[in-house]
Amino acid sequence: KNEVEQSPQNLTAQEGEFITINCSYSVGISALHWLQQHPGGGIVSLFMLSSGKKKHGRLIATINIQEKHSSLHITASHPRDSAVYICAVRHRDDKIIFGKGTRLHILP
Amino acid sequence: GAVVSQHPSRVICKSGTSVKIECRSLDFQATTMFWYRQFPKQSLMLMATSNEGSKATYEQGVEKDKFLINHASLTLSTLTVTSAHPEDSSFYICSADDYGNRLIRGTEAFFGQGTRLTVV
Repeated sequence: KNEVEQSPQNLTAQEGEFITINCSYSVGISALHWLQQHPGGGIVSLFMLSSGKKKHGRLIATINIQEKHSSLHITASHPRDSAVYICAVRHRDDKIIFGKGTRLHILP
Repeated sequence: GAVVSQHPSRVICKSGTSVKIECRSLDFQATTMFWYRQFPKQSLMLMATSNEGSKATYEQGVEKDKFLINHASLTLSTLTVTSAHPEDSSFYICSADDYGNRLIRGTEAFFGQGTRLTVV
């Protein structure tokens, strides 16, 4: 079993829909990151969380440390949100473990 | 916020040649940088931990003679893929720790944009 599990693996939705991507982890962590990877491979760091909730524009990230679970939400989704979203946890030994990513496709 | 610059973003090289990828922390000092590799449709995997002024620590299965890491200053780490082969074609990404803010903001890791290497 992977230490970081994301769901769903693939998600196709219509423009405007509310999107939720989930991340569960099984190790002790000091922080969790949500990253966005575009088709060319370039990575953008969206959030770093250690507790609670963060919001940036149409993106919201939450984390529940007790349940070892985080969610990334996108409100009013747009085709330009189409990308792979990656959850990465920072293990207590400082190493970062990545999920396999969720491929999001927003249809116009 | 802190920025990590990775260069080049894309490189195509001939089999047998060497390629150098740079990872720079632009507005903070990074005593530790990490190098990752991503195969198609797989998650990013840690290759090595680069420590300023000392030898890098490689993960099991990563050839240290093939993937040379140099972290000569607090703002620059380089990964050199030596005698590249087509199977080295992959996506490489670095991250750097901003230890200066660690006590204030908690663990901070910043990611480069990545380098897509194609060996022909």
